[in-house]
Amino acid sequence: EDKVVQSPLSLVVHEGDTVTLNCSYEVTNFRSLLWYKQEKKAPTFLFMLTSSGIEKKSGRLSSILDKKELFSILNITATQTGDSAIYLCAVHKRGSTLGRLYFGRGTQLTVWP
Amino acid sequence: KAGVTQTPRYLIKTRGQQVTLSCSPISGHRSVSWYQQTPGQGLQFLFEYFSETQRNKGNFPGRFSGRQFSNSRSEMNVSTLELGDSALYLCASTPTSVGETQYFGPGTRLLVL
Repeated sequence: EDKVVQSPLSLVVHEGDTVTLNCSYEVTNFRSLLWYKQEKKAPTFLFMLTSSGIEKKSGRLSSILDKKELFSILNITATQTGDSAIYLCAVHKRGSTLGRLYFGRGTQLTVWP
Repeated sequence: KAGVTQTPRYLIKTRGQQVTLSCSPISGHRSVSWYQQTPGQGLQFLFEYFSETQRNKGNFPGRFSGRQFSNSRSEMNVSTLELGDSALYLCASTPTSVGETQYFGPGTRLLVL
């Protein structure tokens, strides 16, 4: 059975801290791994990772994929209260339809001022 | 481009009733996927429609159904509502090119009493 597991499920930090969110996966025919941020309702896209070892960066956020060990991390440096959200990890499989993603349960990040 | 729109945004129903939710994808996107999001389970895939055909289905009972119209708008229907159907229902719009990400709508929050 295909699985995507995120950890921790919940995290509380103070502004300025650096956080690392984890996503491990066990799926057949892996194609890509995606990270989304969900603040209120609609998840918004952060990164898509397809190759191992290539870091993707956007401002204070960065992510990397390890296809050998089957995991990805999402780093957020110098956290701000606006980073408070649910961070979702999803996997797309080769041979699956484009609209079919396998999601983890998400990590609820709370940043205190 | 306008984003993914979902109506209604909030809905309260009682057990045994049925409900219809609507989703309009981004213009030009022909694939629409539906997900159910609950705190305990995260995002779970319901089904995907492409050019008016269901081409992928998740592990949900037959009370959950959907359809897609020629303008790519999609509806999902839940019949004989149960308390456990209370959730955020998210619609996602996907371009037809491999390597593109899904774009989510704001969701419909359904509460079953």
